[in-house]
Amino acid sequence: EIVMTQSPATLSVSPGERVTLSCRASQSVRSHLLWYQQKPGQAPRLLMYGADIRATGIPARFSGSGSGTEFTLTISSLQSEDLALYYCQHYTHWPITFGRGTRLEIK
Amino acid sequence: DVQLVESGGGLVQPGGSLRLSCAASGFTFSSYELNWVRQAPGKGLEWVSYISDSSTTILYADSVKGRFTVSRDNAENSLYLQMNSLRAEDTAVYYCARGGRPGGLLDYWGQGTLVTVSS
Repeated sequence: EIVMTQSPATLSVSPGERVTLSCRASQSVRSHLLWYQQKPGQAPRLLMYGADIRATGIPARFSGSGSGTEFTLTISSLQSEDLALYYCQHYTHWPITFGRGTRLEIK
Repeated sequence: DVQLVESGGGLVQPGGSLRLSCAASGFTFSSYELNWVRQAPGKGLEWVSYISDSSTTILYADSVKGRFTVSRDNAENSLYLQMNSLRAEDTAVYYCARGGRPGGLLDYWGQGTLVTVSS
């Protein structure tokens, strides 16, 4: 199975800051890469699919890039409501697998 | 609006069984593939099972193969997960998630139901 590795595990950030999260796949997943946001006590919410396509209702400050094995999620100007856990997931083939997540916390 | 509502979680002893349900609304249920994904307390996400729109293709994670059975009732807009021979490591919040195109693109998730396996 494909191993998804996210870095860093935790990122301390300030509101208004530009934030970049990384996700690496152990083998090519082409552009079959998703990003989710999860807040405490809530289900994951789809942010990006196809590596760089925003899901319905996702603000433009979120953007994704990458293909193959290296991907990034960028928040152009962090808002307080963006403090959450972020997961990447590939959907190239079964089993689909998730990274362990990056937690954004207040600096 | 798309809604997925899980139920059936609870406390069960090791070796016991539990059946989870997921009631769907707000979309044409019979046209979509579905998945179960779980999250152990304080841990990350783990895909558990997949079922195609007509139930012709069913897949399981190795960790649950032979113990869990996924099914759906398109007439009732419902998804199920029968869990047998439960182990402590099955303790988790179980989410049902709709599969987009392709089925591993999980576009909508329910709020989850907690399964605790403990004596």
